[in-house]
Amino acid sequence: GNSVTQMEGPVTLSEEAFLTINCTYTATGYPSLFWYVQYPGEGLQLLLKATKADDKGSNKGFEATYRKETTSFHLEKGSVQVSDSAVYFCALRPRGTGYSTLTFGKGTMLLVSP
Amino acid sequence: EPEVTQTPSHQVTQMGQEVILRCVPISNHLYFYWYRQILGQKVEFLVSFYNNEISEKSEIFDDQFSVERPDGSNFTLKIRSTKLEDSAMYFCASSEGTANTGELFFGEGSRLTVL
Repeated sequence: GNSVTQMEGPVTLSEEAFLTINCTYTATGYPSLFWYVQYPGEGLQLLLKATKADDKGSNKGFEATYRKETTSFHLEKGSVQVSDSAVYFCALRPRGTGYSTLTFGKGTMLLVSP
Repeated sequence: EPEVTQTPSHQVTQMGQEVILRCVPISNHLYFYWYRQILGQKVEFLVSFYNNEISEKSEIFDDQFSVERPDGSNFTLKIRSTKLEDSAMYFCASSEGTANTGELFFGEGSRLTVL
């Protein structure tokens, strides 16, 4: 079956530190991969996505590269801000007709201090 | 910016009671979803809904769950007889495009606490 594994949190960083949140997946075929973010008191928002191998998704300074050989989609940011404090979810969606659902990881909380 | 709205934000109920969680999807979206997250666990898919019928459901979505689009705007999740293990955050989502390619927009979630 499909599954997503992400690193346990919370991840605690100082402002301007480098961020990596690891995500690996198990899926049949070549899924689309996503990072969602949930800020306090808000819903899940799509942060970035990649739909095929070697694609790089990027948004708001965050990046993730679809690595088929390692089945990974690690999230990175060069310099985090306090406003990046949130819970980050890695997710996949299988390719093919009728596969509408997302499979999520547990989420990783990021806490950035000034 | 259009958004998915959910009510209530938090509901506390007694075991065995019926609960209805409400969602207003984005108005031009065609696909609707419910997900849930039990505290400390993964966000799990429950059900998807298109053209006034369930298009896909997970094994979690058993006979005590039902979904409905009673009018042109609301999309509801009903839990007929709540159990303690139904305590979770329930997220509604909607998408515009085809089920396979449309981006999902999520609401803020409804926290259900079953005592």
